[in-house]
Amino acid sequence: EVQLVESGGGLVQPGGSLRLSCAASGFTFSSYWMSWVRQVPGKGLEWVANINQVGSEKYYVDSVKGRFTISRDNAKNSLYLQMSSLRAEDTAVYYCARLVLGFGRSFDYWGQGTLVTVSS
Amino acid sequence: EIVLTQSPGTLSLSPGERATLSCRASQSVSSSYLAWYQQKPGQAPRLLIYGASSRATGIPDRFSGSGSGTDFTLTISRLEPEDFAVYYCQQYGSSPSITFGPGTKVDIK
Repeated sequence: EVQLVESGGGLVQPGGSLRLSCAASGFTFSSYWMSWVRQVPGKGLEWVANINQVGSEKYYVDSVKGRFTISRDNAKNSLYLQMSSLRAEDTAVYYCARLVLGFGRSFDYWGQGTLVTVSS
Repeated sequence: EIVLTQSPGTLSLSPGERATLSCRASQSVSSSYLAWYQQKPGQAPRLLIYGASSRATGIPDRFSGSGSGTDFTLTISRLEPEDFAVYYCQQYGSSPSITFGPGTKVDIK
């Protein structure tokens, strides 16, 4: 069974940093692109970042470029999101998701999410 | 960036009725790169349809997707009680840039 379990969310002050983790199991983690998607409570979904199987290709939504860094450790079956210079508008539930790039480029499995709150 | 617009914002229907949800793109989207998700309160999104018309694993056949170019449709042939939720469309563009529509809420009339 595919499982994605996020951790690391919490309350952080504006300008602060936070590192999210996602533990993957039930599939060959090193064979898949992975992503972070966020959702402001009560609002819609926003893609944040993608990373390829070996970590050599990384893509970000414009609003987080230069502030967030996606990475992975295939030996630990883990995905990470290092967030810095956090702003109030970064407050959201952050989901880890598996990205399928065959026919139909979509997110086929999602974690349960971890809440990040940026507030003083 | 391709902007997705979904209509209606809210659809009020009764169990057993047919639901037709629309997703319109600001520019042409490859049919292969259009997906639909269902999200219930407090849960993560669930993939329903990928490639505009292919059902994901375990998705009942009352869910179907269609469309091409800039206009796509998700149809739920007969609403079951568990289908009342928010539905999002998503496209995968070049760069890559991935965008979601704002969602359509299907609620009980």
